[in-house]
Parts: sequence; C-alpha cells; structure tokens
Amino acid sequence: DGGITQSPKYLFRKEGQNVTLSCEQNLNHDAMYWYRQDPGQGLRLIYYSQIVNDFQKGDIAEGYSVSREKKESFPLTVTSAQKNPTAFYLCASSNRAGPSYEQYFGPGTRLTVT
Amino acid sequence: ELKVEQNPLFLSMQEGKNYTIYCNYSTTSDRLYWYRQDPGKSLESLFVLLSNGAVKQEGRLMASLDTKARLSTLHITAAVHDLSATYFCALNRDDKIIFGKGTRLHILP
Repeated sequence: DGGITQSPKYLFRKEGQNVTLSCEQNLNHDAMYWYRQDPGQGLRLIYYSQIVNDFQKGDIAEGYSVSREKKESFPLTVTSAQKNPTAFYLCASSNRAGPSYEQYFGPGTRLTVT
Repeated sequence: ELKVEQNPLFLSMQEGKNYTIYCNYSTTSDRLYWYRQDPGKSLESLFVLLSNGAVKQEGRLMASLDTKARLSTLHITAAVHDLSATYFCALNRDDKIIFGKGTRLHILP
C-alpha cells in the first residue's frame, strides 16, 4: 500500500538529548514537510523539502534539523536547543507535479521530553 | 503575509442540525484545502478547491470557495455524532501550505 509512515508513534526523551523522528513515503512524491502541533492548536511548519538534497526552513525551524538524502525519506532531528520540544509531530508529502499540491499526512509521532 | 482565520474555533451542536464553518484568508491563493483531524490522530484530506465558485460535497459535508471574497465555507447538514472532530482549512503560499487554527466540532447526541 502507498502511504507515509512515521516512527515511532510515541517517543520519550530526557531533556538535553537529541532525538530523530523518522518519516518515509512510498508515494513517489517530490515534496515533504514537517509540522509541529501543540494541544488545541493548528499546525506550524518546521522544515520542508521540494527535492532531494535541498530543504528550506519553515516558520519555527530553530532547534530542529533535517536531511533529505533520499526521495523517500525526510528525518527530523529535535536538538537540545529546542526550548519546548514536547509536541505532536506530523510529516506530510505532496505531488508538486499535480494540480492540487494536496498534502498527505503520516500518522504522527508524539514526543515527550522530561 | 498569508493569514488564515477560521471561525468559530469551537462549536457544540445538536445532532440533526445544520451549521457552517467559515474560513477567511488574507491574500489570493489558487488552492484551498479542508482537512479533518480526530483526537490524537493525523489529518485526513476532505476537499481540495481549485477555482472560484467550486463546490464539493461528500456525505453530509459540503465545501465551497469564493475567491473574490477570500472565503471558504464548510457546511454540515443534519449533523451526526461521527462528524465530531477538528476541521482545518489551509491554503498554499508559494510551496508551503498555511493552516488555520482549526474548528473543534462537538456534536451532541
């Protein structure tokens, strides 16, 4: 089945540790995105990538880093510099060749840092 | 800067009633999206509206787009409990999609 997978579903870390969230898609989409969602809030864009080996900062990139070495994969690292990392993280991808640029979302990773 | 405003942000309604969620945006955009999110879950795409006057319907939900007014509506007809969720509208800006804060819909049996 085609889709987007994120792992793990739940992640617990101690403050001061870096942690990497996985995002993989087999939809052959060029563009991939990372969002953060806090309770009762909308989505805020962290980073996005339109093509392999290229990515851009979103609205809240500080304390995060990404890589895009393969078309299928767009891992997000939450560094110790991120002041308040506990949140729900959603990865998405889209087909920029299509007319709608519709984004498809993965199931999300809930990160808790104590 | 593109701003996306939804209202209401919270809506509690009785089953069987009709209601409308509004999505206003500040600058022109050629694509508008509606998503649904159940508690603790990811986002599910409902509608993509691409042109002025576009109307799409799926079951009890109908979305429309008025690009001149910079307004989209999501109309719920004869609400049922299963429609309880948070609904987001979103628009594309350059190569990004900007989301509204969401409307949390609670349908009472």
